[in-house]
This record gives sequence, C-alpha cells and structure tokens, in this order.
Amino acid sequence: DAGVTQTPRHEVAEKGQTIILKCEPVSGHNDLFWYRQTKIQGLELLSYFRSKSLMEDGGAFKDRFKAEMLNSSFSTLKIQPTEPKDSAVYLCASSLRGGAEQFFGPGTRLTVL
Amino acid sequence: QQQVRQSSQSLTVWEGETAILNCSYENSAFDYFPWYQQFPGEGPALLIAIRSVSDKKEDGRFTIFFNKREKNLSLHIKDSQPGDSATYFCAASDTGNYKYVFGAGTRLKVIA
Repeated sequence: DAGVTQTPRHEVAEKGQTIILKCEPVSGHNDLFWYRQTKIQGLELLSYFRSKSLMEDGGAFKDRFKAEMLNSSFSTLKIQPTEPKDSAVYLCASSLRGGAEQFFGPGTRLTVL
Repeated sequence: QQQVRQSSQSLTVWEGETAILNCSYENSAFDYFPWYQQFPGEGPALLIAIRSVSDKKEDGRFTIFFNKREKNLSLHIKDSQPGDSATYFCAASDTGNYKYVFGAGTRLKVIA
C-alpha cells in the first residue's frame, strides 16, 4: 500500500515566484494536513481538510499560502509570492478519520533565494 | 503560546542505556498523546501513543509514562541503539479537535 507521496522533494525558487507543492494522501484517508517544519518553529499546521472540505486555513499563513484539495486523492499547496522566510520543509499528512494516526509524507524542502 | 513543551532540544546517551524524553502540556482538554519519530530526510512516523485514561503504555523497548495531574509525560527508550538516533516529537490533541499540537522535538543521539 502506497504511503503519502509528495512532489517535488526539493524546490529552489527566486523571491517573488509562485510555487506549487503536490501531495497524494494514503488511499481511502479522509483527512489531509499541510505542515511547515523549521528548526526554530518546529511543526506548524498550515491547512486541514476533512473529506475535501477546508476546516482550517492556517491563520497567519492565509495571505500567501493557499491549499486546495481538488479530489480525495490529490492536494496542492501554493505559495505566492515566495519570500526567503518561506524556506522550510513542507510536510503533508493524511489520516483515515479525525483523531486517527497521521501518516506523513517525506516532505518537500523549499529554498527561496 | 507553546502548548506542548519538550524539555530538551537534544539528548545523548550511550548504547544500552535508557533514554528519557520529557514532555509537558498546558491544555487540560488534551486526551491523546502520540510520539513521532523522525529520521533525517523523512517525514515523522508514529512510534507510540497513549490516551489520558492510562498512565502507562508499553511497546517493546518504548514506554510512555503519563501523569495527568502534573500534565506531563515521558518517553523511555530502553536499551538504546544507534538506530534510535532521531528526532522525537511529542504531540497532543483532544477528542473532537483532530489537530495535533506538536512539541519542538528532542534530537536523540545514541553513541555506540
């Protein structure tokens, strides 16, 4: 059974560019989460979907970050425009239902120059 | 506001020793506490979890001790191995709110 897939694994962007990160959750999972991971802030929740409906859009991340779940097996995270402070690892996770174990993908390491 | 706090950023132990990683929380409504293990270049993976109705959960070499009154818990890794070297995250959630709040992580290094 395939786990959570994330592409690309690495992304380098110039300041001001638009980047789109992709995630495929575990088949059959209803909940999907996007996190940002940095050494200083740790794991921060960006967005949370339940059965494709956006339940949380990350508060402080709202202005330049937009997550979408086009269907139950695919989600994107768009950052527009990118800034150097966005350099981080972006993790996608899915779970079967609310409160169940979250399965994480390997992450996308984003570097913004 | 740091709702889940891990007391050590890093911890080094010798192979064979018991590593103890501590975690505390603020929100009394939290009732589920998973520990995640993360190796470099990988996403976190669930290691072991406990619900607040229990005070101990054991799985092989890994044991969680939970103190509801003091709002803290610890992960004990018995007979530590170099392969246990990783970052460990304590997390918390409450029933009905399916988001996890993660601690900052403890980087464990086990020396052979």
